[in-house]
Amino acid sequence: SQQGEEDPQALSIQEGENATMNCSYKTSINNLQWYRQNSGRGLVHLILIRSNEREKHSGRLRVTLDTSKKSSSLLITASRAADTASYFCATATISGNNRLAFGKGNQVVVIP
Amino acid sequence: KAGVTQTPRYLIKTRGQQVTLSCSPISGHRSVSWYQQTPGQGLQFLFEYFSETQRNKGNFPGRFSGRQFSNSRSEMNVSTLELGDSALYLCASSAYPGQDLLFGQGTRLTVV
Repeated sequence: SQQGEEDPQALSIQEGENATMNCSYKTSINNLQWYRQNSGRGLVHLILIRSNEREKHSGRLRVTLDTSKKSSSLLITASRAADTASYFCATATISGNNRLAFGKGNQVVVIP
Repeated sequence: KAGVTQTPRYLIKTRGQQVTLSCSPISGHRSVSWYQQTPGQGLQFLFEYFSETQRNKGNFPGRFSGRQFSNSRSEMNVSTLELGDSALYLCASSAYPGQDLLFGQGTRLTVV
């Protein structure tokens, strides 16, 4: 079963705007990861945040984690057309023996 | 460093046939995971191997099998192919289970 569930499922924004996606999960995690996928290609790892971390940055990306609410958010600031992709959250859980379970993904379209 | 290499990239098979997909992980990575991606089901976990041992297995029928060799290369096999097996099969590697995954470009399997 899917552990992570992203919200919203699809997002369309203008270039330069910020894009925010949320991910909720059900069981306790060791870490949560965000990935990007362009048009049916392999996924690219973006950020890993551990269960004892609350926020992490990488370039224009900011990830937050709220373990009490079992949720995470991914913020892309100053979006570019090249950010158009599907974004997935994935969780590594103790109960799942640390295998990564992916959500269904968010489709983000950045309009130039 | 060479990336995760999956072969072949594209494959067309007929129902009832069998297929073997190959994955060569990043040098030094000992953990290999396989995922099936379809538009309807998203990313579904197939298996995870670490040091030639299957650590985790997803909810797929016994027609789906895999293995890992001493050089960490992995293969997955699907026997008695069905139309519903048409999908993008993604392989990913990491140094250890639960860490960030590096994905290959995938094998696009079409069953006709």
